[in-house]
Amino acid sequence: EAGVTQFPSHSVIEKGQTVTLRCDPISGHDNLYWYRRVMGKEIKFLLHFVKESKQDESGMPNNRFLAERTGGTYSTLKVQPAELEDSGVYFCASSQDLVGEQYFGPGTRLTVT
Amino acid sequence: KQEVTQIPAALSVPEGENLVLNCSFTDSAIYNLQWFRQDPGKGLTSLLLIQSSQREQTSGRLNASLDKSSGRSTLYIAASQPGDSATYLCAVSGRAGNMLTFGGGTRLMVKP
Repeated sequence: EAGVTQFPSHSVIEKGQTVTLRCDPISGHDNLYWYRRVMGKEIKFLLHFVKESKQDESGMPNNRFLAERTGGTYSTLKVQPAELEDSGVYFCASSQDLVGEQYFGPGTRLTVT
Repeated sequence: KQEVTQIPAALSVPEGENLVLNCSFTDSAIYNLQWFRQDPGKGLTSLLLIQSSQREQTSGRLNASLDKSSGRSTLYIAASQPGDSATYLCAVSGRAGNMLTFGGGTRLMVKP
């Protein structure tokens, strides 16, 4: 069974540009989470999908971030326009139900210059 | 607001030692606690999940305990090996399906 996959693994963009990160959860997992770690800080929650619906987006930093999960399968996280402070590692996780383990992907390292 | 602290931040031990990693959290109203391992440049690998009603979980050489009332968890690693070298992260959820709140991690180095 394939794990959580994320694309790209690395992205380097200039301030003001747009970047879209993709996450493919484990097949059959209705719950999908986005987290990020910025330099020197703990991993922080961004948002949670249940199927295609946003269950909790309390961690989204501002309206430059847009997450979607069309059809309840893969998810995208778009940053537009990117700022320097958006640099960090963005992790995606999925779980089969609300009480089980969250399984994490390898992350996307985003560098904004 | 939940805060999770892990002590020590870094630990270096010789191969074969038994060791304990500590995790504390400020709000005891947790739903579950998860221990992860992260290798450099890699994602997080789930090691153990402890539900709030449980006291401990074991997997191979790993044993995690939970004392919810005191806001503490420990991860015990028996007979450490160089392959155990990684960063270990503790995370708690406040309710079912809720976000995980992470600690800063303990960077472990096991020397041959």
